[in-house]
Amino acid sequence: AQTVTQSQPEMSVQEAETVTLSCTYDTSESNYYLFWYKQPPSRQMILVIRQEAYKQQNATENRFSVNFQKAAKSFSLKISDSQLGDTAMYFCAFAQYGNKLVFGAGTILRVKS
Amino acid sequence: EAQVTQNPRYLITVTGKKLTVTCSQNMNHEYMSWYRQDPGLGLRQIYYSMNVEVTDKGDVPEGYKVSRKEKRNFPLILESPSPNQTSLYFCASSLGTSQETQYFGPGTRLLVL
Repeated sequence: AQTVTQSQPEMSVQEAETVTLSCTYDTSESNYYLFWYKQPPSRQMILVIRQEAYKQQNATENRFSVNFQKAAKSFSLKISDSQLGDTAMYFCAFAQYGNKLVFGAGTILRVKS
Repeated sequence: EAQVTQNPRYLITVTGKKLTVTCSQNMNHEYMSWYRQDPGLGLRQIYYSMNVEVTDKGDVPEGYKVSRKEKRNFPLILESPSPNQTSLYFCASSLGTSQETQYFGPGTRLLVL
C-alpha cells in the first residue's frame, strides 16, 4: 500500500529564516504526483506546490521550493524568508492511479516573531 | 468565483440521526471526492466519483453513502451516525480523473454525541 510519512510532528522557525519540512513516501508506481498542502487555523486546505514524478527539475513557487529525490522517495518542502502567515499545518500528499490522494499525518509549523 | 462549497460548516447531532453534508462545485469538474481528517492520521478518502452516476469506495467508506446525480453536486450521507464519525470532513474536486490537482471545500466539522 502507498504510504506517506512526515516524521516531524511540530516545527518552529523565526520570522525571515528558512525551514525545511520532510516527507517520504512509499510506492511501486513510476508515474505519480506529489503535493504540499497548507492548512491554516481556518482549516481551509490550500495547495502550496506540486511536483510531477517524471520531471527532474524541482518545483518552485515564490518562497516555496521542493527537494524531490525520486530514488530516495523523498519530497521535502523548503520555505524561505518565513512569514507569520506561514504558520499552519502542512500536509504532504501523493496522487496515485486514478486521482486518490494519500496524505501524511501533517507537520505543524509555527513562525515566531 | 471558482469554488467548492460545503454545507453545513458545523454540525452537532446525536447517534442514529440521519444527516447529509452537501458539496457543490462550479468549475465543471469531473472528479469529486470526500475525505475525513482526524488528528495524527491526516486526511483519508471516504468515497470518490469520476463522473455522474460513477462512484466508488475510498479507504474508509464504512458508515457513509454518496450519490452523484448531477456533475456539480456530491452529497455525503450518514444514515446512522456514530461517535466515531466525529471528524472534519472535506469535499474536493478536480478537472480530470488522473493525478490532477484537487481543490478543497472549506470543511465541515461534525460532532456526533
